Amino acid sequence: QSALTQPASVSGSPGQSITISCTGTSSDVGGYDSVSWHQQHPGKAPKVLIHDVSNRPSGVSNRFSGSKSGNTASLTISGLQAEDEADYYCSSYISPNAHVFGGGTKLTVL
Amino acid sequence: EVQLLESGGDLAQPGGSLRLSCVGSGFTFSDYGMSWVRQAPGKALEWVSGAIGSGGSTYYADSVRGRFTISRDNPKKTLLLQINSLRAEDTAVYFCVRSSYYFHHYGMDVWGQGTTVTVSS
Repeated sequence: QSALTQPASVSGSPGQSITISCTGTSSDVGGYDSVSWHQQHPGKAPKVLIHDVSNRPSGVSNRFSGSKSGNTASLTISGLQAEDEADYYCSSYISPNAHVFGGGTKLTVL
Repeated sequence: EVQLLESGGDLAQPGGSLRLSCVGSGFTFSDYGMSWVRQAPGKALEWVSGAIGSGGSTYYADSVRGRFTISRDNPKKTLLLQINSLRAEDTAVYFCVRSSYYFHHYGMDVWGQGTTVTVSS
């Protein structure tokens, strides 16, 4: 199963909004509403920011939002903060019977 | 509070075996699908294996099929991963991850803290 495609890096200034894309195919992102977004700080376990395209777990800031159009999902972070600097991964169910992750995006807060 | 706690990671020799465990708390364990995801040093996340809420259906990545076995002990709220014929490329942190629903084809919504497997002679 090929990894989902994410930009290797994105950057933004505090207070700005940024969007990270996650491109797959009709067998994964486009075919199922199962995209999740995960934030990982160095040396830490990942944390789910968004699951099933646009659902935010309890306790996750509403600055994080998810959407999907066709075979591409997106994570938007508004009001960028220094603590948002981390690696971000998308994931999706992929037919048949597996899950696939993106290669990860390093977010730098300038 | 929903929590997942992994254990069982260790230093093991190539060709050896390990059994990883993940205990869930704060939710009805049998109501949710579960997966194992690993991360090799400096690498991206990789889904390894999953099981639906009952454990009656299980799934594997091509890279581990035939060597890894996932199972669940729902009364003990425990997810297991038996790893056989260990290879150097199995060296990674292994995370237990909850699905957002009973079945396998939903997104992931909770991570454990991980347990480290190192394969070396």
